[in-house]
Amino acid sequence: AQSVSQHNHHVILSEAASLELGCNYSYGGTVNLFWYVQYPGQHLQLLLKYFSGDPLVKGIKGFEAEFIKSKFSFNLRKPSVQWSDTAEYFCAVNAWVDNTGKLIFGQGTTLQVKP
Amino acid sequence: DAGITQSPRYKITETGRQVTLMCHQTWSHSYMFWYRQDLGHGLRLIYYSAAADITDKGEVPDGYVVSRSKTENFPLTLESATRSQTSVYFCASSDSDNSPLHFGNGTRLTVT
Repeated sequence: AQSVSQHNHHVILSEAASLELGCNYSYGGTVNLFWYVQYPGQHLQLLLKYFSGDPLVKGIKGFEAEFIKSKFSFNLRKPSVQWSDTAEYFCAVNAWVDNTGKLIFGQGTTLQVKP
Repeated sequence: DAGITQSPRYKITETGRQVTLMCHQTWSHSYMFWYRQDLGHGLRLIYYSAAADITDKGEVPDGYVVSRSKTENFPLTLESATRSQTSVYFCASSDSDNSPLHFGNGTRLTVT
């Protein structure tokens, strides 16, 4: 079965530190990849997505992610985090099985940025 | 305003009771989804629907029932609530099965 693994469950950083959140998936076929963010008390919002083309994807608020097919990874990065980036981050993979795409989420990573 | 709305926002119910969570979207999106969010599990897909009158099971469908008689509505029913169904439930929609999802604000359900 397809699965998505986020290795960091809870990350604490100081403002201006660099961020990298890991995401690995298990599926050998065509995938679409997403990162969603959930700010405290809010619903999930799309941060960025990868469908095809340049494996380095830029999203909102200075976030980017790199798709490395050989490593089945789609890690999220930001060079300098802000206090307002405190949120929960979810990696999601849409794996195509039997011509149907089902979005599978990772367990989530809670990011706490200290001012 | 266009969007996706869930009701109620909060619900407390007793074990064994039936409870229905409502989801309504105004975009006429074909696809609608129900997820539950639990600590340590992230979001898990309960049911999804590709169009009106078409529904399919997700990862954790047991104990839940859905219907989709109209494109804009996708209610989720817990036929006999159990404490393990205490969770935050998110409804989402998209215009295709590989488009980003638009999420509702969630329903926090507590089963006592």
